[in-house]
Amino acid sequence: DQQVKQNSPSLSVQEGRISILNCDYTNSMFDYFLWYKKYPAEGPTFLISISSIKDKNEDGRFTVFLNKSAKHLSLHIVPSQPGDSAVYFCAASDSGGSQGNLIFGKGTKLSVKP
Amino acid sequence: KAGVTQTPRYLIKTRGQQVTLSCSPISGHRSVSWYQQTPGQGLQFLFEYFSETQRNKGNFPGRFSGRQFSNSRSEMNVSTLELGDSALYLCASSLTGNSDTQYFGPGTRLTVL
Repeated sequence: DQQVKQNSPSLSVQEGRISILNCDYTNSMFDYFLWYKKYPAEGPTFLISISSIKDKNEDGRFTVFLNKSAKHLSLHIVPSQPGDSAVYFCAASDSGGSQGNLIFGKGTKLSVKP
Repeated sequence: KAGVTQTPRYLIKTRGQQVTLSCSPISGHRSVSWYQQTPGQGLQFLFEYFSETQRNKGNFPGRFSGRQFSNSRSEMNVSTLELGDSALYLCASSLTGNSDTQYFGPGTRLTVL
């Protein structure tokens, strides 16, 4: 049973527009959420994170929103650039029992068209 | 600060052989986690080491093992390789492993023929 779900396997966006990537989770014990970007044959690159005590975290063009009641988080990229084209993974952890274990979604492939 | 490094980057082995992969974490990081990435299963947690002790383990058979040294470097070993072990093996390091950011290495691409 997937604890972290990214229901959209792919997303295509025009350059300059907003990209919104969504992620749902089922485990209410998760208290830390992260987004990673991954290019083929490379390891995931950390983008941005959010603690469960916040509902928003911003870093440049990237903003993550957390809705705990809906168990939903989203990553907004504004404006989108062709270099943002990659697979984006949502991940979660809890400080209680999942030491060193990030639970990943299956990823969303973002394509930003020039 | 140097990032997480993994060696080798690519490996080709045949069924039945064994393989050892190496990971050097970011300086000061004491937690090292290993993940397997395959197209069908995504990123799956193998195990985590902290202060030379395996602290957490995923749902993989005993053929998959690891260890961590006093300098936090870690190795992962897979014995009696199977075709299904072909994957990208990723190592990630973090300060404590408890809800802090993990930083990934480039991975080792293992192909089993």
